[in-house]
Amino acid sequence: NAGVTQTPKFQVLKTGQSMTLQCAQDMNHNSMYWYRQDPGMGLRLIYYSASEGTTDKGEVPNGYNVSRLNKREFSLRLESAAPSQTSVYFCASERGGGSSNQPQHFGDGTRLSIL
Amino acid sequence: QKEVEQDPGPLSVPEGAIVSLNCTYSNSAFQYFMWYRQYSRKGPELLMYTYSSGNKEDGRFTAQVDKSSKYISLFIRDSQPSDSATYLCATGSGGGADGLTFGKGTHLIIQP
Repeated sequence: NAGVTQTPKFQVLKTGQSMTLQCAQDMNHNSMYWYRQDPGMGLRLIYYSASEGTTDKGEVPNGYNVSRLNKREFSLRLESAAPSQTSVYFCASERGGGSSNQPQHFGDGTRLSIL
Repeated sequence: QKEVEQDPGPLSVPEGAIVSLNCTYSNSAFQYFMWYRQYSRKGPELLMYTYSSGNKEDGRFTAQVDKSSKYISLFIRDSQPSDSATYLCATGSGGGADGLTFGKGTHLIIQP
């Protein structure tokens, strides 16, 4: 019953450092998403992948890159971290592939602080 | 327009009360509606999923959608302290790979 697994759970970086957030799902879902959640801002979509081999920008993509490594895994990379990227990052997956919106299933997040 | 509006709260009610949580949206193309519950330091978890207008009941939870008013509600009966969490509404128009539009969440506190 793992669902969506995110690693690491916590991370502190210095400005300018890089890191990759990992996400894996075991539900054989087609679509995967990366969000950030900030106080008073709600969930904002960074990037998404409708299917293996495709990625697209969401609402707030600047400063981030993604890789859909295979059907299970979708990683988010910060190339040069900035304090404005301090946030909680959530990965989600959805069955996808049809004409309806299906529920998204979320991981428990990565809490990232940039000093 | 992709806005979904939610009162952030906090909403504080005594244990056992009926709770009403609400969202409004602006895009008439939205036809899939969901409610998520998020505990502190956890990811959102799906509570209710409905399509188009009407009511859906699951245990102590009832989701209600009024597409004519662009208004969605979640009712919690016999509220428990364990219901204390942030509740997010979400909606989508179907088929869009960019998925759902989320409200910012309402923080609910159930007082024992």
